[in-house]
Amino acid sequence: GQNIDQPTEMTATEGAIVQINCTYQTSGFNGLFWYQQHAGEAPTFLSYNVLDGLEEKGRFSSFLSRSKGYSYLLLKELQMKDSASYLCAVDAPPNTGFQKLVFGTGTRLLVSP
Amino acid sequence: DAGVTQSPTHLIKTRGQQVTLRCSPKSGHDTVSWYQQALGQGPQFIFQYYEEEERQRGNFPDRFSGHQFPNYSSELNVNALLLGDSALYLCASSLQGALGYTFGSGTRLTVV
Repeated sequence: GQNIDQPTEMTATEGAIVQINCTYQTSGFNGLFWYQQHAGEAPTFLSYNVLDGLEEKGRFSSFLSRSKGYSYLLLKELQMKDSASYLCAVDAPPNTGFQKLVFGTGTRLLVSP
Repeated sequence: DAGVTQSPTHLIKTRGQQVTLRCSPKSGHDTVSWYQQALGQGPQFIFQYYEEEERQRGNFPDRFSGHQFPNYSSELNVNALLLGDSALYLCASSLQGALGYTFGSGTRLTVV
């Protein structure tokens, strides 16, 4: 089966740091993606991890541990515009060689002044 | 360079009706995937098209069908609409063998 878990909602203050966790159990693994989605809009790509370790990109960093089935997204210097849903997705294709993303339910982040 | 284009942006239908949603992939992409996103949930995979054939399918009934055209654009058809089909329908395009999806802004379907 495919199971991806992340917290439903988190709150943080402008300028702070927040870590959004994601645990997964999938039948295949070709990498893990993080997307940001503002209400009513398309998901936009934030990061991709396929090897263990930390990937840093500006204010956003993402970590992966394949042995633990665990990832987190770290957001630094939070801004009001970071209020959005953050989706964890695993590329877990069947044996067809085609990419297939399996999403968690998303974490809604509320940033307050 | 246009991204993924979906039409219409919003749609209201009555139970039992049929609906067709359309998607034009990003230039250079040849694979189209469709997702259903209910309010407050993550996107759920419906199916994927490549070379005009359905290559993968998620856990959706046969009421959901699709098509891909020679220009790589795609349609999603839903028959016998149910209230539970109300959702944001997202189209994502990709290039076979390459990493990553590009998502469209979605079609918001409301069934009344």
